[in-house]
Amino acid sequence: KAGVTQTPRYLIKTRGQQVTLSCSPISGHRSVSWYQQTPGQGLQFLFEYFSETQRNKGNFPGRFSGRQFSNSRSEMNVSTLELGDSALYLCASSLHRDTEAFFGQGTRLTVV
Amino acid sequence: GQQVMQIPQYQHVQEGEDFTTYCNSSTTLSNIQWYKQRPGGHPVFLIQLVKSGEVKKQKRLTFQFGEAKKNSSLHITATQTTDVGTYFCASTGSARQLTFGSGTQLTVLP
Repeated sequence: KAGVTQTPRYLIKTRGQQVTLSCSPISGHRSVSWYQQTPGQGLQFLFEYFSETQRNKGNFPGRFSGRQFSNSRSEMNVSTLELGDSALYLCASSLHRDTEAFFGQGTRLTVV
Repeated sequence: GQQVMQIPQYQHVQEGEDFTTYCNSSTTLSNIQWYKQRPGGHPVFLIQLVKSGEVKKQKRLTFQFGEAKKNSSLHITATQTTDVGTYFCASTGSARQLTFGSGTQLTVLP
């Protein structure tokens, strides 16, 4: 059974640009959550999608958005990038909304 | 959302010593999950506790959920260098959003 796949693994962008990150959950998992991880802030919840609907949103500005497709694949978008957006972005999928979460390897975003 | 406080932030131990990390909440938790993240890796699920006073063991790891379901602990007996990493607790609240503690970074000195 394939795990959670995130693409790309690494990304370098310039301030002001936008970026789209992709996450393919484990087959059969309908819940996908996104987290931002930085050394000083730990794992910060961005949003959760279940059955193509955003169920929860963390305390992030509107520049951060996401969506989920009918095949449960999810994308997150960050517009008008800032230096502080540099982080590891992790996607996690789970079978149900409060069962164990399986994480992808993450996308390391560097904003210069 | 609910907040889960985790201590200590860092812990250095000599190989063979024991290690414990604690999670505390001001509100009752419906469940507690524990994850381990190796350096350069991603969080990996270890276990979930749901019952008051529940204790589960995985080899040298012992997980406990408090009687009031407001705290939890992870204890490692006789640490090994393979235990190095950051240990996170996490819980889902009424919104069913999985919120993580700040993590405890464990260093094991050989």
